[in-house]
Amino acid sequence: SQQGEEDPQALSIQEGENATMNCSYKTSINNLQWYRQNSGRGLVHLILIRSNEREKHSGRLRVTLDTSKKSSSLLITASRAADTASYFCATDVQGAQKLVFGQGTRLTINP
Amino acid sequence: DTGVSQNPRHKITKRGQNVTFRCDPISEHNRLYWYRQTLGQGPEFLTYFQNEAQLEKSRLLSDRFSAERPKGSFSTLEIQRTEQGDSAMYLCASLRATRELFFGEGSRLTVL
Repeated sequence: SQQGEEDPQALSIQEGENATMNCSYKTSINNLQWYRQNSGRGLVHLILIRSNEREKHSGRLRVTLDTSKKSSSLLITASRAADTASYFCATDVQGAQKLVFGQGTRLTINP
Repeated sequence: DTGVSQNPRHKITKRGQNVTFRCDPISEHNRLYWYRQTLGQGPEFLTYFQNEAQLEKSRLLSDRFSAERPKGSFSTLEIQRTEQGDSAMYLCASLRATRELFFGEGSRLTVL
C-alpha cells in the first residue's frame, strides 16, 4: 500500500519558474524524504526532513513539513530543463522498517 | 552512480519462464531492500534484508517470488513461472545509517 499522496500528479512550467509539489500521508513518521527519478532510471535521494523539523533547505530545494496536517511540500526554485523528472515523497513510518512511497509528481520544465 | 549495481538492466522473457535479478549494494550498508515499480506509479515495497536475514516480506511477494542474500552481501530476486502481470521495474536499494535509501538503476522485466 502507498501511504503518500502527491499533488499534483503532473506539473508543467517554464524554465526559471518555481515548482511546488505536495505530499500528504496518513500515519506518524520518523522522517519524510524526497526522491527524484529520471525516466527509466533509479531513484536518487534529494532531501530528508525529520519529524521535529519544520523546514529544510538544500541548494535550490526547500522542504516543509507540517506533522499536524500530515503534509509536506517540495519547492524547486529557478527551475531548469534538467529538473524534468518524477519526484516522490517517501515516509519513514514509525514502527515500520521500510520507506513507503507516494505515486509521484511528474515535473516537466519547458525551455 | 549511487554505488548500488543491478543486473541485468533489461530482461525480456516468455510467460512461464523463470528469471533472476541480482543486486550488489553498497558494502557498508547492512540493510537491502527490493521494490517493484510499474509505469506511472511509485515504488512498492517487496522485501528487505538485515545482513543475510530476510526480515519482512510484502503480500505482493507471492510464492513464485523468492529473494536471498547469502553472506549478507549481494542479493538475488527470483521469479518463477513468470506472468504478464510481473512486468515491472524491480528496484534494489541499500539503506544508509541515516535512513536514506540508495537505489540501483533497476532491472526492467517484460513478460511476453
